[in-house]
Amino acid sequence: GQNIDQPTEMTATEGAIVQINCTYQTSGFNGLFWYQQHAGEAPTFLSYNVLDGLEEKGRFSSFLSRSKGYSYLLLKELQMKDSASYLCALVDQAGTALIFGKGTTLSVSS
Amino acid sequence: GAGVSQSPSNKVTEKGKDVELRCDPISGHTALYWYRQSLGQGLEFLIYFQGNSAPDKSGLPSDRFSAERTGGSVSTLTIQRTQQEDSAVYLCASSSHRTGAGNEQFFGPGTRLTVL
Repeated sequence: GQNIDQPTEMTATEGAIVQINCTYQTSGFNGLFWYQQHAGEAPTFLSYNVLDGLEEKGRFSSFLSRSKGYSYLLLKELQMKDSASYLCALVDQAGTALIFGKGTTLSVSS
Repeated sequence: GAGVSQSPSNKVTEKGKDVELRCDPISGHTALYWYRQSLGQGLEFLIYFQGNSAPDKSGLPSDRFSAERTGGSVSTLTIQRTQQEDSAVYLCASSSHRTGAGNEQFFGPGTRLTVL
């Protein structure tokens, strides 16, 4: 099975940088996704990592270390609209289902 | 349509009744997934379709839950004899091919099911 851990809540201020961590224990997986979910809305894709290292997309970056069972999402130049839940998800060994953590609720204040 | 759509957006039912939830995936997407999101819990995988076939039904919580997909497009999730613990938001997602190749899943807005 898979066990995915994320902090439940985080707070930050506009303009700051925040790092949301995701640790996991799994017998194997095919890549890791990060999704953003605003309250009452559908999750939307942020990033995908399959190899170790950093993937950068504008203000958002995601890092994966398979050997350490660890990923993080880095958000720079925070804006109020970044207040949302951030979901870490592993692709299962069959390459079909996403196995989600419970998500991290980020609150950005001015 | 431009995205994944689901209907109804909200469904209130009485315990013991059957419900049907509908998902219209993005046109041309061969892979379709159902998840549910209970209060305070992460998204929980239910079932995966590739075309009209469901090679992975491992997440369906009981035999009261079933799903079908027709024409490689629309999917229906049916819950029979609903129980209060079935109350959740049911999310549908689709991807161009199976997600293991790095294909992102596009999610619909969900159906909020409340069982009284």
